Amino acid sequence: EAGVVQSPRYKIIEKKQPVAFWCNPISGHNTLYWYLQNLGQGPELLIRYENEEAVDDSQLPKDRFSAERLKGVDSTLKIQPAELGDSAVYLCASSLDQARGGEQYFGPGTRLTVT
Amino acid sequence: GNSVTQMEGPVTLSEEAFLTINCTYTATGYPSLFWYVQYPGEGLQLLLKATKADDKGSNKGFEATYRKETTSFHLEKGSVQVSDSAVYFCALSNRGAQKLVFGQGTRLTINP
Repeated sequence: EAGVVQSPRYKIIEKKQPVAFWCNPISGHNTLYWYLQNLGQGPELLIRYENEEAVDDSQLPKDRFSAERLKGVDSTLKIQPAELGDSAVYLCASSLDQARGGEQYFGPGTRLTVT
Repeated sequence: GNSVTQMEGPVTLSEEAFLTINCTYTATGYPSLFWYVQYPGEGLQLLLKATKADDKGSNKGFEATYRKETTSFHLEKGSVQVSDSAVYFCALSNRGAQKLVFGQGTRLTINP
């Protein structure tokens, strides 16, 4: 079974440029998460989807960050414009049914460097 | 709010040494507790979990017991190997919030 796929693995951009990250969850997983992991810290949730619906986006900085999950499968996280402080690893995870304690499976992450 | 505190790292041990990584939590209700491991260049993997007080999670020789009275979930392994070198994250999930709250991680290095 394929795991959570993320691309790109690495991205270097200049500040004020836009950037997008893509995530393909494990087949059949209805819940998808985007986490932000700063250097030396644990991941922090940005947004959670149940199928197509964003059910928890309280930690997403909506002035510059946006996300979508079309057809309840793949998801894209976008930053526009990027700032120096956005340099971090962006993790995607998916689960079958978190409400029933479904384990979250993580992708390898996208490491963003903003110069 | 919910939070997780892990012992400060990095931790360096010799092969076959005994390992303890401390983890304490603050949460409302009755959270589930987890240990995740992140090997270099890879995503986080669930190592073990416990869903109620006094439960013991175990996997690959690692163990952790859910202690409600001390709000702790310390990770232990009797004899570590070089291959255990990784970053370990303690986390909790309150079913009402349905999200993982992580500690800051502990980097473990095992020397042969």
